[in-house]
Amino acid sequence: GNSVTQMEGPVTLSEEAFLTINCTYTATGYPSLFWYVQYPGEGLQLLLKATKADDKGSNKGFEATYRKETTSFHLEKGSVQVSDSAVYFCALIRGSARQLTFGSGTQLTVLP
Amino acid sequence: NAGVMQNPRHLVRRRGQEARLRCSPMKGHSHVYWYRQLPEEGLKFMVYLQKENIIDESGMPKERFSAEFPKEGPSILRIQQVVRGDSAAYFCASSPREEAQFFGPGTRLTVL
Repeated sequence: GNSVTQMEGPVTLSEEAFLTINCTYTATGYPSLFWYVQYPGEGLQLLLKATKADDKGSNKGFEATYRKETTSFHLEKGSVQVSDSAVYFCALIRGSARQLTFGSGTQLTVLP
Repeated sequence: NAGVMQNPRHLVRRRGQEARLRCSPMKGHSHVYWYRQLPEEGLKFMVYLQKENIIDESGMPKERFSAEFPKEGPSILRIQQVVRGDSAAYFCASSPREEAQFFGPGTRLTVL
């Protein structure tokens, strides 16, 4: 079956530090890949997505590249801010099945 | 354009009572999904519906849980005879056909 493995948290960084959150997946074929962000007490917001190999999704300074050879979709940001503190979820959709398969989430805390 | 709306945001029930969770998708979205987030875990798919049809309920518990998306009105997730293990955040998402899903703020169910 499909699965998503995320780097375990929590992750604590200082403001302006470089961020990487690792995500790898297991799926047959060519899934679409997503990063969602969840701020405290809120629902999930779509951060970025990529639908085919070598695509790069980007939004609000965050980037992730769909790497089929390593089955990875790592999230990066060059300079984090306190407001980026949240839980980040990697997810995939495979083929005609419409349900998202989520990783377990990574808690990010950015300190001023 | 209002986002996905869920109500109530918080729901407290005693063991054995019924819980009804409502979800109004974004305007123009005909696909609705329900996910459950247990404490300290990622989201797990429960059910995927289109108007008047259940498309995929592979993630729904076999007993006590049901979902509908009528021709008029919101989608309803119904949990009968709730137990403490049902305590979780329940998220609804919607999408226009085969595109990224947009999530509501969630309903946090507490079973006493």
